Amino acid sequence: GNSVTQMEGPVTLSEEAFLTINCTYTATGYPSLFWYVQYPGEGLQLLLKATKADDKGSNKGFEATYRKETTSFHLEKGSVQVSDSAVYFCALAQGAQKLVFGQGTRLTINP
Amino acid sequence: DAGITQSPRHKVTETGTPVTLRCHQTENHRYMYWYRQDPGHGLRLIHYSYGVKDTDKGEVSDGYSVSRSKTEDFLLTLESATSSQTSVYFCASSPQAVSSYEQYFGPGTRLTVT
Repeated sequence: GNSVTQMEGPVTLSEEAFLTINCTYTATGYPSLFWYVQYPGEGLQLLLKATKADDKGSNKGFEATYRKETTSFHLEKGSVQVSDSAVYFCALAQGAQKLVFGQGTRLTINP
Repeated sequence: DAGITQSPRHKVTETGTPVTLRCHQTENHRYMYWYRQDPGHGLRLIHYSYGVKDTDKGEVSDGYSVSRSKTEDFLLTLESATSSQTSVYFCASSPQAVSSYEQYFGPGTRLTVT
């Protein structure tokens, strides 16, 4: 079945560091891919998405490119801030109605 | 932001008791979902609904049932709560198919089964 694998956390960085959170997927066909973010005490919210191969999703300085050849959708940000501390989830759309989530990566940014 | 609320936000209950969690959305979204979030597992789908009275099972549906009698409300029932159902439960909704549209999440319900 379809699945999503994220890099193990937690990840701790200093402010202004470069961030990469790896995400790879297994799926039939070409699913839409998503990154969701969960801030402390809150529900998840969409960070960015890509619906076809080579698409780049971007939002709030974060980017991810849909790589069909490597079945990956890695999340990157050039300079992280303390306010980026959160749990990040990679997900894919399974069929028309469901999302499959990775296990989440907890990110902590120290000032 | 989509208006999605969950009630209660916190609940402690005893093993063997029934529990019902409520999700309410004000966006007239067609699709609604119940997930549980556990450390190391991310979010796992329990049940979902694709319309009033139309529901289907997710990957971890055993021990749970759902009902949707109105577009805006989606209820999750633990028929006889067990300690393994201690978790944080999230409801979500989506206007259309998720391949093109995001899911909007509620704030979560923390359930503890003692």
